[in-house]
Amino acid sequence: GEEVAQTPKHLVRGEGQKAKLYCAPIKGHSYVFWYQQVLKNEFKFLISFQNENVFDETGMPKERFSAKCLPNSPCSLEIQATKLEDSAVYFCASSHWGAREKLFFGSGTQLSVL
Amino acid sequence: EDKVVQSPLSLVVHEGDTVTLNCSYEVTNFRSLLWYKQEKKAPTFLFMLTSSGIEKKSGRLSSILDKKELFSILNITATQTGDSAVYLCVHYSMDSNYQLIWGAGTKLIIKP
Repeated sequence: GEEVAQTPKHLVRGEGQKAKLYCAPIKGHSYVFWYQQVLKNEFKFLISFQNENVFDETGMPKERFSAKCLPNSPCSLEIQATKLEDSAVYFCASSHWGAREKLFFGSGTQLSVL
Repeated sequence: EDKVVQSPLSLVVHEGDTVTLNCSYEVTNFRSLLWYKQEKKAPTFLFMLTSSGIEKKSGRLSSILDKKELFSILNITATQTGDSAVYLCVHYSMDSNYQLIWGAGTKLIIKP
């Protein structure tokens, strides 16, 4: 598609429940990034993919967070056993191999953990 | 540690005014500097700057990079209420595995 599609737009979970977020990057883009933005503050990098391979996962809290980008499927970000502090907007972005830093963002998933 | 510092953090002006937003950076291995605009939701790309002294323009917005003094400015002339947003300055670092280093943003409010 011509834009990054994220679903769902809103997700409400009780503490300890699982949350799964999806992202379909722009067709033809090789890179996918996940960012966490808490209360309109700075973007916290979580993980990036080059096609289906993890490119950089230095931002991921590995105990509870996992992510995948499988061929012919939307990318996903999963949080096991959510905590209150996971409440944030999770943005997915994609970019073309020739301009990795020129990110096109999805509209985000607002995760609320109660 | 690479960092990007934006100023001011917030700015309120009247419609029609011209504004200049500042971004300074400390990076060890410069590749590019980018500006994004974030309104209610997703940031949208404005400019990518790689060379010093070359102004990029898009309508009423323009931006320039000074690699010697390590800063960039974003100018908006004849501001409109639709320019109200958070403007984010981002450095693309060849260190740290090509991560984007984000500034905290300048919140710009345009009053009618």
